[in-house]
Amino acid sequence: TQLLEQSPQFLSIQEGENLTVYCNSSSVFSSLQWYRQEPGEGPVLLVTVVTGGEVKKLKRLTFQFGDARKDSSLHITAAQPGDTGLYLCAGARGSNYKLTFGKGTLLTVNP
Amino acid sequence: DARVTQTPRHKVTEMGQEVTMRCQPILGHNTVFWYRQTMMQGLELLAYFRNRAPLDDSGMPKDRFSAEMPDATLATLKIQPSEPRDSAVYFCASGLQGGMETQYFGPGTRLLVL
Repeated sequence: TQLLEQSPQFLSIQEGENLTVYCNSSSVFSSLQWYRQEPGEGPVLLVTVVTGGEVKKLKRLTFQFGDARKDSSLHITAAQPGDTGLYLCAGARGSNYKLTFGKGTLLTVNP
Repeated sequence: DARVTQTPRHKVTEMGQEVTMRCQPILGHNTVFWYRQTMMQGLELLAYFRNRAPLDDSGMPKDRFSAEMPDATLATLKIQPSEPRDSAVYFCASGLQGGMETQYFGPGTRLLVL
């Protein structure tokens, strides 16, 4: 059973478009992280959200943690080719070290 | 620029052979994680070490996998004997324990067992 469902699995858009990817669960998480992974590399942490309803912005990326702490979204404004990669969400429950990862959304931004 | 390093980056081996993967965590980090990534399962936690002690290896097949930290600068993951279903990318990550941990991932070892 996959605790964290990410959608869509694949997304291909043109440079300049906006997009939103989702991370959903039936379980409550104490915190949730978003990572970006480029081909041949390990995931790199983008943000951690810990409070229900929290919104964090990182330049053109906006992250939101659901009020019930069961879901999260990542919105990218005016996507650029450099945004291309696999976006992973990961939730922690109780013990902060043990992360449950979603399978990711593979984003391709075409120039 | 401190980074987690992993060797080898790629490994092709035959079924039944022993595979050893090595990880050098970021200097000063006291937690080490081993993950496996496949298309089907995504990223799965195999083992977790804190201050070189194994605290959680519940995600690791015990019969063929073993993980150790001989010293603070080296973590190893061994598979003996290897099987085709072990083919995956294995990541090591390190961090500083205390509160919310940030895990810094290495570039991974891509393993193919024929």
